[in-house]
Formats: sequence, structure tokens, C-alpha cells
Amino acid sequence: AQSVTQLDSQVPVFEEAPVELRCNYSSSVSVYLFWYVQYPNQGLQLLLKYLSGSTLVKSINGFEAEFNKSQTSFHLRKPSVHISDTAEYFCAVSFNRDDKIIFGKGTRLHILP
Amino acid sequence: NAGVTQTPKFRILKIGQSMTLQCTQDMNHNYMYWYRQDPGMGLKLIYYSVGAGITDKGEVPNGYNVSRSTTEDFPLRLELAAPSQTSVYFCASSYGTEWDRTQSYEQYFGPGTRLTVT
Repeated sequence: AQSVTQLDSQVPVFEEAPVELRCNYSSSVSVYLFWYVQYPNQGLQLLLKYLSGSTLVKSINGFEAEFNKSQTSFHLRKPSVHISDTAEYFCAVSFNRDDKIIFGKGTRLHILP
Repeated sequence: NAGVTQTPKFRILKIGQSMTLQCTQDMNHNYMYWYRQDPGMGLKLIYYSVGAGITDKGEVPNGYNVSRSTTEDFPLRLELAAPSQTSVYFCASSYGTEWDRTQSYEQYFGPGTRLTVT
């Protein structure tokens, strides 16, 4: 079965330090890739997406993710985190351009002062 | 635009009771979804709809039913509530066309309904 793996359930990081949240998916078939963010007590919202073209995609608030086909990965990075980045981050994948997307289990980002 | 609204925000049910979770969107989106979120488990798709009158099962449909009589509304019905249905339920919507589904992946989520079954 197709799956999305986020190995880290929680990642603590000091403010202004860099962070990487890892995401791997199960299949090398055609994929669309997404990162969603969930701030405390809110629904999810789309952070960034890869559909085609450049393998490096960026969000408006400084996050970026790189599609690596050979490693079936789509890791999320930010060079310097802020306290406002405290949230849960979900990697999501559409396999074979399906209508549905499959979510990973989420990684909770804790920003330490 | 209010976006996606869900009611109620919280609910406690006794085992065996039934209830309907309401979801409404005012963005004229044709796609709508119901997910449940359990701690450490991510989101699981319960049901989805690609337009009024069309619904389909997701990954975890057992114990739930949906209907989509209008573009705006997508209620989720729980029959015979069980403790395993204790969860946070999210409704989402998106827009897509048959020739370009890529827009449909930008899903807009409601604030959620926290349901406890005891």
C-alpha cells in the first residue's frame, strides 16, 4: 500500500536555528507532494506544493522543500526558525494523480527560546 | 467569505447515540472531504465528494455516512456512536476540474469538531 512516512513525531529546535523535517513516501510512481501546517487549535493550511518543474519549492514565510525522486523524499527546511513557526507539519502525497491525498502522521515543531 | 465552517465545535456522545456533523463552505468549491485526526496518527480520509450528488468512500468509512445534496453542504452522519469514533473531525473543500485536478490539492480546512464518545 502507498504510504507517507514522517519519522520524527517531534522536533525541538532553538529559535533562529535551522530545521529540517523529513518526509519519505513509498512509491516512485508519478506523485504530487505537499506540506500542510496546523497551528494550535486550527485546521490545516497548505504551506507549499510540488507539482512539476523545479524540484525546489518555497513558501512565502521562508520554508522550502526539495523533491528527490531517487530517494522518494520531500524534506522541509527553514534556515532560521521563529517562535511563530510552532505548529504541527504534515507531509502529504497524491499518488498517480489521484483525487485524494495521503497524509503523514505529522511532526510537531517545538521552538525553544 | 467565511470559508469552511463546522458545527458543533465540541460534542460528547454516549455509546449508541447518533449525530450529524455539519460542514458548509461558501467558496463554491466542488470537492469536499471529511477527515478524522487522532493523536500521532495524522489525518485519515473518511468520505469525499467531487460534486453535488456524488460521494465516495475514503480510507476509514465504517460507521459513517455522508450526503451531498448541494454544493455548499457536506454533512457527516455517525450512527450508533462507538468509543473508537472519539476523534477530531475536519471538513475540507477544494476546487478542481476534470482537465486540471491540480487546484484540488489545495484544500481549505474548517476549524474542526472535537467529539468524545463515552
